[in-house]
Amino acid sequence: NAGVTQTPKFQVLKTGQSMTLQCAQDMNHEYMSWYRQDPGMGLRLIHYSVGAGITDQGEVPNGYNVSRSTTEDFPLRLLSAAPSQTSVYFCASLRVAGNTEAFFGQGTRLTVV
Amino acid sequence: GQQVMQIPQYQHVQEGEDFTTYCNSSTTLSNIQWYKQRPGGHPVFLIQLVKSGEVKKQKRLTFQFGEAKKNSSLHITATQTTDVGTYFCAGPQTGRRALTFGSGTRLQVQP
Repeated sequence: NAGVTQTPKFQVLKTGQSMTLQCAQDMNHEYMSWYRQDPGMGLRLIHYSVGAGITDQGEVPNGYNVSRSTTEDFPLRLLSAAPSQTSVYFCASLRVAGNTEAFFGQGTRLTVV
Repeated sequence: GQQVMQIPQYQHVQEGEDFTTYCNSSTTLSNIQWYKQRPGGHPVFLIQLVKSGEVKKQKRLTFQFGEAKKNSSLHITATQTTDVGTYFCAGPQTGRRALTFGSGTRLQVQP
């Protein structure tokens, strides 16, 4: 199984540009999340989804949009990139049956100049 | 809002020494999980604790969940260079179907 596939791995954007980070999972999990990781701050929740068509805001949602048209896909859109959005982004899929366990994508290292 | 704090932020040990990281939540948790992130990698699930006072072992790793279900610890006996990485605790977010992660403890092991 591929698990959680996240693309791209690296990206450089200019301030004001927009882009979409792709995330797909093949485990049929209902719950998916996007996190950003900054030095010394752990993983902070941006947006999450509890199923197709249902999304909600996390702790740091400003400047980001999400949609969930299918169970498999959960893309994250940066509307107008800012240097403060320079970070490593992780998509996660959450299994809640039995042990709760988050499965992470490989991450996207984004630099906004 | 809910906060999950971890200490220390960073620890450098000699190979063979023991290591402990502590996790404290501002709210009671229904369960707590631990993840390991190797340098340049993504977090990988280690274990979940559910019961008050629970202790679980994985080889040299010992995980504890506090009696009040607000704190947890991870202890590594006789560290090895393969233990290098950042260790995160995580618990269910209050009011959200997602996880809150602690700030992490970065472990460096000197051979």
